[in-house]
Parts: sequence; C-alpha cells; structure tokens
Amino acid sequence: QTVVTQEPSFSVSPGGTVTLTCGLTSGSVSTNHYASWYQQTPGQAPRTLIYSTKTRSTGVPDRFSGSILGNKAALTITGAQADDESVYYCVLYMRSGISVFGGGTTLTVL
Amino acid sequence: QVQLVQSGAEVKQPGASVKVSCKASGYTFTSYGISWVRQAPGQGLKWMGWISGYSGKTNYAQELQGRVTMTTDTSTSTAYLELRRLRSDDTAVYFCARAPVEQWLNWFDPWGQGTLVTVSS
Repeated sequence: QTVVTQEPSFSVSPGGTVTLTCGLTSGSVSTNHYASWYQQTPGQAPRTLIYSTKTRSTGVPDRFSGSILGNKAALTITGAQADDESVYYCVLYMRSGISVFGGGTTLTVL
Repeated sequence: QVQLVQSGAEVKQPGASVKVSCKASGYTFTSYGISWVRQAPGQGLKWMGWISGYSGKTNYAQELQGRVTMTTDTSTSTAYLELRRLRSDDTAVYFCARAPVEQWLNWFDPWGQGTLVTVSS
C-alpha cells in the first residue's frame, strides 16, 4: 500500500522561507495526483491553502505557493509569520480512485 | 457565503451506529460533491470517502467498506455519513467538506466545523 509522506516537523525563523514536501513511498508525485494542501491549528477545522498542485484558494496570501519539486509536491511559505505556526497536510489523489492524506508536518516559527 | 454546518457531538456504545449530518448553504448543492474526513484524537486527517451531490455516486476508503454509507438529500442540501458496528478506534472528529463533482480534482473547501463521535462503553 502506497503511503503519502511528509516531514514530521520543520522549523523556520520569522521572515524566513520554508518548503514542505509531500511524497510517495512508491513512485513519484506528478500533477496527475492533484495535490492539495491544508493548514490546521488545534481545535479548528482545516483551511484550504492550495489545490491542483499550485492554485491558491480564495483569500490565501501569495506567500504560500505550491509546486512539484523533483518527485514530490511542495508547499513553500515565504516571509514566515508567527501565525503560520500550524500543522500542514497534503492529500494526493491515487489512480485507484481514493484520496490519501500525508501524516502532516508541524511547523514551528521561532 | 459557502458554509457547511454539521450535527452535534455523539456518544455511542461499541457495536452501535452513528449518523452525522452536514447541511450545505451558499452554493448549488448538486454542482459539487461532499467528502468526509476524520481525525482521531491527536492524530492526522484520514479521508473516508466522497459522494456526488449530482448523482449520489460514492467512493469509499477501502478499510471502511461494508461499515460506511454516505447519502445526500438534495431537497435540503444535506449530506449524511452513517458508520455502523462502531469500535473504540472510530472515536474521532468527523469533518465534511465540499468537494468537486469530479472527485479526481481532489480538493476540499470549505470544511464543516466537525462532529466529535465518542465510542465508549
């Protein structure tokens, strides 16, 4: 069974840039996986950031961007702010017709 | 504005069933789907399945096949998630989210507020 992989945790300085990745235990991520990214803070519902690999959801600032980097989907945050401190999830669409979430990356801004 | 409002928290005994509702407003219900995602305490998000608001076609996560049913009532723009033969590891917050009618586009936006289902004897 293919698993979606994300870094468990990441740290970034305020104002800095960080790239979170979303990969597969078997194979490469492509645009055909229609990667989407979500931000979640404790006790809240997730917030949509990016869909279809690189399209920002309505109201999401342009310091959040999505791409394919090598064989993974990526979420880049530029000019990190304190309120970016959250858990970030990616989800990929598989050819089998299901969506699979990664385990999430806890981002610390300090 | 687009909004999904879910039913309230539930406490169920092992072996029972639960049915969670998700009422949509602010958009044409039949032009989109609904996906359900759950999150066990302290854990990550897990996709449960998708239902078309247009046709009622469903697609379920393999591990839930046989225990889960997703339905819609287009007259009230409401989606339902029923989970049967509940076990303690079904304890989670259950989220609905608007999804594309073409499921493969793979986005979820916006999300409902979540419904806590606790399975305990």
